[in-house]
Amino acid sequence: QVQLVQSGAEVKEPGASVKVSCKASGYTFTSYAMHWVRQAPGQRLEWMGWIHAGNGNIKYSQKFQGRVTVTRDTSASTAYMELSSLRSEDTAVYYCARFSRSLGGLWGQGTLVIVSS
Amino acid sequence: QTVVTQEPSFSVSPGGTVTLTCGLSSGSISTNYYPSWYQQTPGQPPRTLIYNTNIRSSGVPDRFSGSILGNKAALTITGAQADDESDYYCVLYMGSGPDWVFGGGTKLTVL
Repeated sequence: QVQLVQSGAEVKEPGASVKVSCKASGYTFTSYAMHWVRQAPGQRLEWMGWIHAGNGNIKYSQKFQGRVTVTRDTSASTAYMELSSLRSEDTAVYYCARFSRSLGGLWGQGTLVIVSS
Repeated sequence: QTVVTQEPSFSVSPGGTVTLTCGLSSGSISTNYYPSWYQQTPGQPPRTLIYNTNIRSSGVPDRFSGSILGNKAALTITGAQADDESDYYCVLYMGSGPDWVFGGGTKLTVL
């Protein structure tokens, strides 16, 4: 079954970091990029960045440049997104997603990150 | 920087037809942008409706259709139902590596 399964919810204090994982199955992990998208409560989807799982190329949204790091472990078919210097405004559901011109989009189930003291 | 534009909100009557659009801040959308459309209801991840302009994802009712209308990508819902009330996002392929750009989404109300 083609799917993306994300790690569970996290609660973090302001200033901390969070690392979310996204395990791919059912397709060749290294053939696609993995995107990270977040959605704050009541807000729109917001693209954060992507990593090509094959060649490791990376692109970040300017908004998150310097605070976000995306990595991948090809042996585990897993992508990671780490966000640092968390603040309350980072409270959101974080999604991983794969986009393909010929297959459309594939989304993880989302990971809720709550930033609170 | 490329901005993908969508109507912030739209309303349709039950049984009616609505067309949501997706445009570019500069330039026209063609099939080369492989427009895709996603439906999102509260608390759920986005669901793929349409990809590659007009291909319906598996299980998507045929009342949803995609097209290019003029210089924009379009999502048409024919015979709208109450459970079509959702947010709809378009995503465009920008033609360079895995660069995909999101629109701001349209909140569709069925009433």
